[in-house]
Amino acid sequence: AQSVTQLDSHVSVSEGTPVLLRCNYSSSYSPSLFWYVQHPNKGLQLLLKYTSAATLVKGINGFEAEFKKSETSFHLTKPSAHMSDAAEYFCVVSDYGGATNKLIFGTGTLLAVQP
Amino acid sequence: DGGITQSPKYLFRKEGQNVTLSCEQNLNHDAMYWYRQDPGQGLRLIYYSQIVNDFQKGDIAEGYSVSREKKESFPLTVTSAQKNPTAFYLCASSGPWTGGRNQPQHFGDGTRLSIL
Repeated sequence: AQSVTQLDSHVSVSEGTPVLLRCNYSSSYSPSLFWYVQHPNKGLQLLLKYTSAATLVKGINGFEAEFKKSETSFHLTKPSAHMSDAAEYFCVVSDYGGATNKLIFGTGTLLAVQP
Repeated sequence: DGGITQSPKYLFRKEGQNVTLSCEQNLNHDAMYWYRQDPGQGLRLIYYSQIVNDFQKGDIAEGYSVSREKKESFPLTVTSAQKNPTAFYLCASSGPWTGGRNQPQHFGDGTRLSIL
């Protein structure tokens, strides 16, 4: 069965410093992986997706993630945090070829950005 | 602009009452989904529909019902059988998976349901 684990429930960084949000996955197949961001009382917005084309995936707002099969990881990074990055981030895994397109969500990482 | 519209943004339910949450999309997506979000638990799938007039239970369907009479619409009813309905409800849709790969889901802005 597919699953995803976000290793930190809260991360706090200073503005202008790097961001690292960690995610490990478990999948029987080559997975599709996504990172979503959620601002308070809003829906989820897709940051980036991995679908096997390239292991380093670039997303919106300067975020990127690297798929490492040997480590079953898909960590999200950004070189320099901005105040507007403060939000909750979800790592998501989906079945390869799953007919239902069902997604499995991590429990989220709340990112705080200090001035 | 194309997107998903959920209404109302806030909803209150009295004991023993059914309430219906609206979800409309103009993305021409076949598949639609309902999730429940509780603090610290991520999103849990309630129901999903891959095509009009067809839907399947997700992981936590008890106390909920849905219909899919039109491609654009996927309303969720929270029945009185749902004993703990206070949560943030999110609707999503997705296009067809291509090349055996799942497509990302697009989300509405949610409805927050509370008990009076």
